[in-house]
Amino acid sequence: SQTIHQWPATLVQPVGSPLSLECTVEGTSNPNLYWYRQAAGRGLQLLFYSVGIGQISSEVPQNLSASRPQDRQFILSSKKLLLSDSGFYLCAWNNRATEAFFGQGTRLTVV
Amino acid sequence: SQQGEEDPQALSIQEGENATMNCSYKTSINNLQWYRQNSGRGLVHLILIRSNEREKHSGRLRVTLDTSKKSSSLLITASRAADTASYFCATDAYGGGFKTIFGAGTRLFVKA
Repeated sequence: SQTIHQWPATLVQPVGSPLSLECTVEGTSNPNLYWYRQAAGRGLQLLFYSVGIGQISSEVPQNLSASRPQDRQFILSSKKLLLSDSGFYLCAWNNRATEAFFGQGTRLTVV
Repeated sequence: SQQGEEDPQALSIQEGENATMNCSYKTSINNLQWYRQNSGRGLVHLILIRSNEREKHSGRLRVTLDTSKKSSSLLITASRAADTASYFCATDAYGGGFKTIFGAGTRLFVKA
């Protein structure tokens, strides 16, 4: 069966520090991969999606970047965090035109 | 901008009542999905309805889709306190591969 792992669950980082959040998927091949951010009490904002290794589409200009070094690995990064980067980050995957499966999320607090 | 927009933004009902949430979207879709999110957790998929379907049922859930109006509704019958959560609609829009876009969600509170 397919599973998705996202870590860490919580993270507190100082302003200006780097960020690396990792997401891995098991049990499927060539999935679509997504990074979303959710502000408190709000909907999900699509940050990045990827349809294959090395293929990254950015939805909004921001201080973040994403990479897909392997088929089932999706990484969200920043060189220097801003206070506004705080939020709840969710990784998800799906196959073409099917439901998405989510990780449990990472709550990032930039202090 | 977000593709899906749910209304109401928040809904408070008594246990046993039905809860109806609506979703509107902007572009042509391949399918529409509804998800549930408990506070501080990931989203869980509830039901998917394809663009050529008009209604779908799953247990106490009923979803309708009107592609001419670009809208969908989620009905939860005989609600329970455990249904308290945020509910999101999402659509698959083609953009160099399918990407799933979510609305802002409806926060449902079911009072025991």
